[in-house]
Amino acid sequence: DTGVSQDPRHKITKRGQNVTFRCDPISEHNRLYWYRQTLGQGPEFLTYFQNEAQLEKSRLLSDRFSAERPKGSFSTLEIQRTEQGDSAMYLCASTHRGYQETQYFGPGTRLLVL
Amino acid sequence: GNSVTQMEGPVTLSEEAFLTINCTYTATGYPSLFWYVQYPGEGLQLLLKATKADDKGSNKGFEATYRKETTSFHLEKGSVQVSDSAVYFCALKNTGNQFYFGTGTSLTVIP
Repeated sequence: DTGVSQDPRHKITKRGQNVTFRCDPISEHNRLYWYRQTLGQGPEFLTYFQNEAQLEKSRLLSDRFSAERPKGSFSTLEIQRTEQGDSAMYLCASTHRGYQETQYFGPGTRLLVL
Repeated sequence: GNSVTQMEGPVTLSEEAFLTINCTYTATGYPSLFWYVQYPGEGLQLLLKATKADDKGSNKGFEATYRKETTSFHLEKGSVQVSDSAVYFCALKNTGNQFYFGTGTSLTVIP
């Protein structure tokens, strides 16, 4: 078991470009969460999936953000027309169906929008 | 609504000192409460949890007791080590499936 992985670990982009991040949860973990963390703050919930279904979305998730988990395994988070305010660490976490209160976090993708 | 308030840092302690990091919460219903730790260069890890009032979570010498009457879940350790230097996050999960995190408290332990 290799833990939750995220790719890329760092991304620098210019304002207005689109970016896509990938998260691979621990195998057999049915829930997958996306968070955003800015400097000096705790993780803020963006959205979560149970298997392939996206069950909740935060008001933080504007229409420029979209997330998918097409086969209930890995997930992608896309940000369209990036803005400087999107600069943050994007975290992914997963939980096992039998232990839904224990989240396992990935290392995060740090996004810098210039 | 649901929210978590943690004591602000940074906190600097000498090795073997007593640690308390305060955490209070606002929630409807009966949330589960957590402490996560983030060591330098690593991802967040669950440190301990408590799922109902008066439960005590413990791990690696850290403890926290779920106090419903004061809506608190303070983190304590009797004797900190340099290796405990990290950022500590208090969090709650309510009857829905969202987790709410505090802003984090940075701890530095000096030899």
